[in-house]
Amino acid sequence: EIVLTQSPATLSLSPGERATLSCRASQSVSSYLAWYQQKPGQAPRLLIYDASNRATGIPARFSGSGSGTDFTLTISSLEPEDFAVYYCQQRSNWPPLYTFGQGTKLEIK
Amino acid sequence: EVQLVESGGGLVQPGRSLRLSCAASGFTFDDYAMHWVRQAPGKGLEWVSGISWNSGSIGYADSVKGRFTISRDNAKNSLYLQMNSLRAEDTALYYCAKDISLDIVAPRGAFDIWGQGTMVTVSS
Repeated sequence: EIVLTQSPATLSLSPGERATLSCRASQSVSSYLAWYQQKPGQAPRLLIYDASNRATGIPARFSGSGSGTDFTLTISSLEPEDFAVYYCQQRSNWPPLYTFGQGTKLEIK
Repeated sequence: EVQLVESGGGLVQPGRSLRLSCAASGFTFDDYAMHWVRQAPGKGLEWVSGISWNSGSIGYADSVKGRFTISRDNAKNSLYLQMNSLRAEDTALYYCAKDISLDIVAPRGAFDIWGQGTMVTVSS
């Protein structure tokens, strides 16, 4: 089973700053990695799929990069609404198993 | 409007059963794989089960294998999760989620539409 490890667990930044979130896989997942944002009391929202493709309606300040085992979600200039928990997720080929990272909490400094 | 609406959650005793439902609207349901994802109170996301567009491929997390059964009715635009032998550790908010692919064995797998969830509490 592939394990996804996110770092840091908590990231404290101010609006306008750049955020860099990391997700590391225990073995290669090619480019099939997704990122989600979850705010308190809300369902998760897909931000990025296939490592670097923005989902529909996602602002351009969100970008994803990486392949193999190391992936990054970058928010170029934080807006107040970006403070939330972020999860990465991948799917194993067979048997089909989907794994989430443990999450990174992005909080206002 | 694209929408997923879960129902069927509630308080249930350990060892009992519960059936969750998810009603889909606003998209062609039988063009996509579907999933159940859960989140225990204050915890992260855990994938529970997924089913391909035609029910030809089904997968389960090890934590629920043998106890939970996923199914879908494309004529009714509905997804289901039959949960048997429930345990305290199954207590969570259960989300229904739409895949971006039609098959759970497709190369890519991500969840682009989510419901608001239905809460399952397993307690005596």
